Amino acid sequence: SAVISQKPSRDICQRGTSLTIQCQVDSQVTMMFWYRQQPGQSLTLIATANQGSEATYESGFVIDKFPISRPNLTFSTLTVSNMSPEDSSIYLCSVLPQTGVKTEAFFGQGTRLTVV
Amino acid sequence: EDQVTQSPEALRLQEGESSSLNCSYTVSGLRGLFWYRQDPGKGPEFLFTLYSAGEEKEKERLKATLTKKESFLHITAPKPEDSATYLCAVQVPNSGYALNFGKGTSLLVTP
Repeated sequence: SAVISQKPSRDICQRGTSLTIQCQVDSQVTMMFWYRQQPGQSLTLIATANQGSEATYESGFVIDKFPISRPNLTFSTLTVSNMSPEDSSIYLCSVLPQTGVKTEAFFGQGTRLTVV
Repeated sequence: EDQVTQSPEALRLQEGESSSLNCSYTVSGLRGLFWYRQDPGKGPEFLFTLYSAGEEKEKERLKATLTKKESFLHITAPKPEDSATYLCAVQVPNSGYALNFGKGTSLLVTP
């Protein structure tokens, strides 16, 4: 398994500002992902964080709004830019220690964001 | 389009009352089916991954099974601490290694 530390655990932000969320893993992992969980909803994939290159975004999510970095195999950041109340959600980092035939995916504790 | 449907949306059980949660899926080429437990305010906690029809996995009071169309999470003699939301997700080749989640089943076990 992998131990994932996500910071901050929660924040309350003013609209129009930006927040950067950090995801630190205790071991090198092959893949890292960012998900969003809106109130009362399930998880939606935002993007795959690619090490050393631009992230791969899902439909409905763009780099200008959710810039992502992944400088190495244990760390990634997600920035929520120019926030509005609609961005209030839980943001979750997920990792796959390895890819292949059989994989397990682990999640951080999440960042609960409230935009006022 | 790949879909994951969980039922029921919510389930209330008496302590010791066994039951099953369902996860039905329509996907092209299942790579794996994942079960997670999520407590309020926390990230999903990994429970099981199933890879092929007929596979079963157990952990304490939980047992997950997989067919070609659905998966069941059986809860035997549940306790109040089993109360949580249980999420099902699938991994398919055309989505890389990301997971496509169902909406979850909210389980409440009362003493």
